[in-house]
Amino acid sequence: DTGVSQDPRHKITKRGQNVTFRCDPISEHNRLYWYRQTLGQGPEFLTYFQNEAQLEKSRLLSDRFSAERPKGSFSTLEIQRTEQGDSAMYLCASSFGRVETQYFGPGTRLLVL
Amino acid sequence: DAKTTQPTSMDCAEGRAANLPCNHSTISGNEYVYWYRQIHSQGPQYIIHGLKNNETNEMASLIITEDRKSSTLILPHATLRDTAVYYCIVVKTSYDKVIFGPGTSLSVIP
Repeated sequence: DTGVSQDPRHKITKRGQNVTFRCDPISEHNRLYWYRQTLGQGPEFLTYFQNEAQLEKSRLLSDRFSAERPKGSFSTLEIQRTEQGDSAMYLCASSFGRVETQYFGPGTRLLVL
Repeated sequence: DAKTTQPTSMDCAEGRAANLPCNHSTISGNEYVYWYRQIHSQGPQYIIHGLKNNETNEMASLIITEDRKSSTLILPHATLRDTAVYYCIVVKTSYDKVIFGPGTSLSVIP
């Protein structure tokens, strides 16, 4: 399967713990995006990378959130000191080319108890 | 804020065409109309996009009005597997962060 993959698919954690999610984009895609989605809502943009450079961060991305894409390939999203409000689906997408067609991964569903 | 408005939900009989409307009255000349769908518990899936001409692919057709202020996604023969939330979004030709609204929840009924 050469699509976008995310790991883990599900994560349950206790409030205050740190969690890290990984996204592997489609190999030739230079752009990588993170979104958060809560029940009944569309995905909300969190941040975006072009190669290894993080070019934009949403106001939703508080100081407890950090994302990296160290070699311009896979990316990680870390949430420190998780809160119950962080419970959501975290989606990763990648794209390549002049016109933005994003390919999404299956998401990581986070539940903070 | 999302730049598009869509009905909250729609039903369609299996085998019939599903016509999903989208209003994007503030669209600018360099913005494309994109459609994605999200089947329950999966990531969104790209369907189709267009600038001003009508477009068709193996999944759907996209009809854009001449003034570009609205569009319609057409699933010609809806199946139960087309039950999903359908998102209409506008995106500039170069990078622009994608803003998803709540979309239209389409239920295909046997």
